[in-house]
Amino acid sequence: GAGVSQSPSNKVTEKGKDVELRCDPISGHTALYWYRQRLGQGLEFLIYFQGNSAPDKSGLPSDRFSAERTGGSVSTLTIQRTQQEDSAVYLCASSLPTSGGVRFGPGTRLTVT
Amino acid sequence: SQQGEEDPQALSIQEGENATMNCSYKTSINNLQWYRQNSGRGLVHLILIRSNEREKHSGRLRVTLDTSKKSSSLLITASRAADTASYFCATASSLGAQKLVFGQGTRLTINP
Repeated sequence: GAGVSQSPSNKVTEKGKDVELRCDPISGHTALYWYRQRLGQGLEFLIYFQGNSAPDKSGLPSDRFSAERTGGSVSTLTIQRTQQEDSAVYLCASSLPTSGGVRFGPGTRLTVT
Repeated sequence: SQQGEEDPQALSIQEGENATMNCSYKTSINNLQWYRQNSGRGLVHLILIRSNEREKHSGRLRVTLDTSKKSSSLLITASRAADTASYFCATASSLGAQKLVFGQGTRLTINP
């Protein structure tokens, strides 16, 4: 079946602009994650949604970052007033609530100029 | 701070040799997972080992877990050029809440 999809695949924006990144998880996956990966680095946890529970936002680096998940499916990650240090690949992943590994999307490469 | 720390940061071996990567973590875990990433994207789940397991196999992969030392190792036997990638360990700390914390990864290069 279809995997996790993300859009856009690449985004170039000017410093100070807002951006929205979209994630479509695998159908039936109630858990959804956002991670950030800077060049040559590991994955930095941003936020985690599980069903109707309150999301775990402990990884969001600043109040410029927010995410929502509508209808328990699609999620958008919004970065307001983008800064150059926001440049990274933003990865979305989803999983069943108590299953094993998560399935990652291809990521959105964000470049802030 | 990152939960998992991979060691070494980079590893280069000849095709056909075995590759061993290690991961250490700090807190109690429910399970530990290994992922592979090619070309800066495309993370793929390789194997999961639960805290009550000590060893697990999947094809040419062998994972061990030592909860007393808070460490895990990933062994790739008979390496191939296609195994060239970055390998990450990730830990999940509580049952039912699969918040995964990743390490910085090991960059593995298989030379033909």
